[in-house]
Amino acid sequence: QKEVEQNSGPLSVPEGAIASLNCTYSDRVSQSFFWYRQYSGKSPELIMSIYSNGDKEDGRFTAQLNKASQYVSLLIRDSQPSDSATYLCAVGENTGFQKLVFGTGTRLLVSP
Amino acid sequence: GAVVSQHPSRVICKSGTSVKIECRSLDFQATTMFWYRQFPKQSLMLMATSNEGSKATYEQGVEKDKFLINHASLTLSTLTVTSAHPEDSSFYICSASPTGGETQYFGPGTRLLVL
Repeated sequence: QKEVEQNSGPLSVPEGAIASLNCTYSDRVSQSFFWYRQYSGKSPELIMSIYSNGDKEDGRFTAQLNKASQYVSLLIRDSQPSDSATYLCAVGENTGFQKLVFGTGTRLLVSP
Repeated sequence: GAVVSQHPSRVICKSGTSVKIECRSLDFQATTMFWYRQFPKQSLMLMATSNEGSKATYEQGVEKDKFLINHASLTLSTLTVTSAHPEDSSFYICSASPTGGETQYFGPGTRLLVL
C-alpha cells in the first residue's frame, strides 16, 4: 500500500524564522509531488508542485525533492502568523487515474 | 485560474433525507473530479473518483448506493448523499484536475449536518 508519512506536529516556530516541513513516501516510482495548505475549517489550497529532483522556489516557499531518498520537503522563509495551518504533502499515484495519496499533514504554529 | 466551486457551502437536513452537492470547475475543463470527506481533526479521505461520462470509482468501504456520483459534463460533478444519517455529518470536499493534468484544485467544501 502506497504511503505518505508526515510528522503531525505541531511544529512551532517564531515569526521570521524558517519552517521546515518534511514528508516521505513509499512508492519509488512516484513522479509528482504537491504541497497543500489547509486552514482550520477550510479546504486545502495548492502551494506548490514539484516533479524533478532539487529545489523549486516560489516566493517564500521552497520545495525540495530527493527521489533517491524518497522525501520531499517544504521550507517557508520569514514565517508569518498567517502561515499557521496544516500542511499536506501529496504524491501522485502514477497509475493513470490521477489520484493523489495524501499524508495526514503537519500542523505549523507561527508565534508572533 | 483553476477555480473550483461547491454548492451549497453548508446544509442541515433531517435524518432520512437526501442531499445533493454540486462541484463545478469554473475556468477549466475537468475530465476527472474527486470527492473527499473529512471528519474533525482527521485527514482527508478519498471517497471516489468521478470521470466524465463514465461510472465513478469508489474507494474501499464507501457505499456506492449511498453516495451517488454523477459527472455529466466536463465542468460539473454531483454527489448525492442518499438517506442521510447523523453519522454522515462531515465536511465534503471536491477537487478537480484539468484534463490531461494531475494537479488537483479543491473546492471550498460543503459542511453537512444531519439531525
